[in-house]
Amino acid sequence: DTAVSQTPKYLVTQMGNDKSIKCEQNLGHDTMYWYKQDSKKFLKIMFSYNNKELIINETVPNRFSPKSPDKAHLNLHINSLELGDSAVYFCASTPITSPDTQYFGPGTRLTVL
Amino acid sequence: GENVEQHPSTLSVQEGDSAVIKCTYSDSASNYFPWYKQELGKGPQLIIDIRSNVGEKKDQRIAVTLNKTAKHFSLHITETQPEDSAVYFCAAHLSGNTPLVFGKGTRLSVIA
Repeated sequence: DTAVSQTPKYLVTQMGNDKSIKCEQNLGHDTMYWYKQDSKKFLKIMFSYNNKELIINETVPNRFSPKSPDKAHLNLHINSLELGDSAVYFCASTPITSPDTQYFGPGTRLTVL
Repeated sequence: GENVEQHPSTLSVQEGDSAVIKCTYSDSASNYFPWYKQELGKGPQLIIDIRSNVGEKKDQRIAVTLNKTAKHFSLHITETQPEDSAVYFCAAHLSGNTPLVFGKGTRLSVIA
């Protein structure tokens, strides 16, 4: 299947731990994103990478560090997890031919205890 | 920066009725306005979009209208079905590397 995939789908962890969420797209897209969706369903962009280069970095704590090993992958590493980090994190990608059209992954629900 | 307001936050309609969701945006330079549908446990999926050079666009039971002067755009769903129940998001975008700005979502419930 051609799609944006994320692992894991659910992540439950203790405060203070470090965790990573992986994202892969096999759509041949050049730009990838991370979004955070809070408990009220509000979607907010965190980062955007174009062909492995960071192009958008919203006001996100530096405990969050995206890493793009190649243009098909954009992983999100979070250090020293806090209760407020609990949310659903979505990866998305856009093709160069239609840079406005975003394709979202299924999401990763992170719960910090 | 861009700000998108979306109303209502919840909407219940009877099956077969129409549903309308409205959004306003603040930056007159925004030129792309997509609508996403998010079903429970899934990521948002693009259902229709409109660009600023077009006033209306229709795709089967869904349509979007754009009023650039008033800076608002609306999603219209006709002949609603239970499978239309979901959270719907509007968004606005400038060109280039600016981020897509989403509204806060509308939870639509279609009652059979």
